[in-house]
Amino acid sequence: EVQLVESGGGLVKPGGSLRLSCAASGFTFSSYSMNWVRQAPGKGLEWVSSISSSSSYIYYADSVKGRFTISRDNAKNSLYLQMNSLRAEDTAVYYCARDDRWGNYFDYWGQGTLVTVSS
Amino acid sequence: QAVLTQPSSLSASPGASASLTCTLRSGINVGTYRIYWYQQKPGSPPQYLLRYKSDSDKQQGSGVPSRFSGSKDASANAGILLISGLQSEDEADYYCMIWHSSARVFGGGTKLTVL
Repeated sequence: EVQLVESGGGLVKPGGSLRLSCAASGFTFSSYSMNWVRQAPGKGLEWVSSISSSSSYIYYADSVKGRFTISRDNAKNSLYLQMNSLRAEDTAVYYCARDDRWGNYFDYWGQGTLVTVSS
Repeated sequence: QAVLTQPSSLSASPGASASLTCTLRSGINVGTYRIYWYQQKPGSPPQYLLRYKSDSDKQQGSGVPSRFSGSKDASANAGILLISGLQSEDEADYYCMIWHSSARVFGGGTKLTVL
């Protein structure tokens, strides 16, 4: 069974940093592109970043470019999101999501981890 | 102007059909895009429903009932998610998504109420 479990969320002050993790199991992690998608409280979905299976291709939404860094460790079956210079508008539930084998859509999602940026 | 625009809410009766629209910004031609649809229920992550570009390029998500289908309205420059035979369990938020300029872009979502 495919499982994605996020961790690392919490309360952080504006300008601060946080590192999210996503532990994957139930599939060959190194064969799939992975993503972070966020959802502000009561709002819609926003794609944040994507990383290819071998980390060769990395993409970011304009809203986080230069502040967030996505990475993965295929030996540990883990996905990461390093978030720096956090702003109030980064407050959201952050989901880890797997791409389908052709990289078209998100076929599995974690339950999410809440990041709150507030003084 | 947002890349994808969805009506914020829609209501329909059980057993009826609901047509959820996803309008692409002017200058972005719906005919060239695959449109992906997701369903999200309160307290849960989204779930993939289907993809539609044309009748020859479409895909149903695993386990998704056939009463969920996709189409397009080229005159309105919009993708459409059609849900027939509405059931109470279809009450949820629905999001469309496209690939645009190497980024995934979501619409703002439509809250579907079945009453």
